[in-house]
Amino acid sequence: DTGVSQDPRHKITKRGQNVTFRCDPISEHNRLYWYRQTLGQGPEFLTYFQNEAQLEKSRLLSDRFSAERPKGSFSTLEIQRTEQGDSAMYLCASEGYRDYEQYFGPGTRLTVT
Amino acid sequence: GIQVEQSPPDLILQEGANSTLRCNFSDSVNNLQWFHQNPWGQLINLFYIPSGTKQNGRLSATTVATERYSLLYISSSQTTDSGVYFCAVEDPKAAGNKLTFGGGTRVLVKP
Repeated sequence: DTGVSQDPRHKITKRGQNVTFRCDPISEHNRLYWYRQTLGQGPEFLTYFQNEAQLEKSRLLSDRFSAERPKGSFSTLEIQRTEQGDSAMYLCASEGYRDYEQYFGPGTRLTVT
Repeated sequence: GIQVEQSPPDLILQEGANSTLRCNFSDSVNNLQWFHQNPWGQLINLFYIPSGTKQNGRLSATTVATERYSLLYISSSQTTDSGVYFCAVEDPKAAGNKLTFGGGTRVLVKP
């Protein structure tokens, strides 16, 4: 078991471009979470999947954000028409069915110029 | 929603010193986790501790759920303990198991 992985680790993009991030959870973990962390703050919840179903979305997740988890395995988070305010660390976490502990990936650091 | 406050916000320690970090939460919780965020941003699990006391090497944690606080103890601190320590809780009234994080305690251990 190699833990939660995320790709890319860093992304620099120009305002208005679209970006997509990928998260691979720990094998057989059925719950997957996305969080966003800005400088000097704790992570904030964005959205959550149980298997392939997206069960909750935060108010932070504007219409420009979309997340998917096809087949209940890896997940993608897409941001359309990026804005400078989207610059942050995007963290993914996974949790097993009988394990209430969340494990985090290394994050994707997004910089919008 | 549930509020999580951590104190102190910043802590400077001399190597070898002991310290206590505190996490207060505003309502009952299902889950409480302590994390250490290293300089590269990786959140490392320290403890899953909704109640009781646990120890792992030089670190230990205690959660008193009825009084809505948790403490993280660092003994004989080392420079590698530097980083940000986060407490995160799960609100039983909220859907799903999402975590609400405190603002963190930034720890610097000087040699």
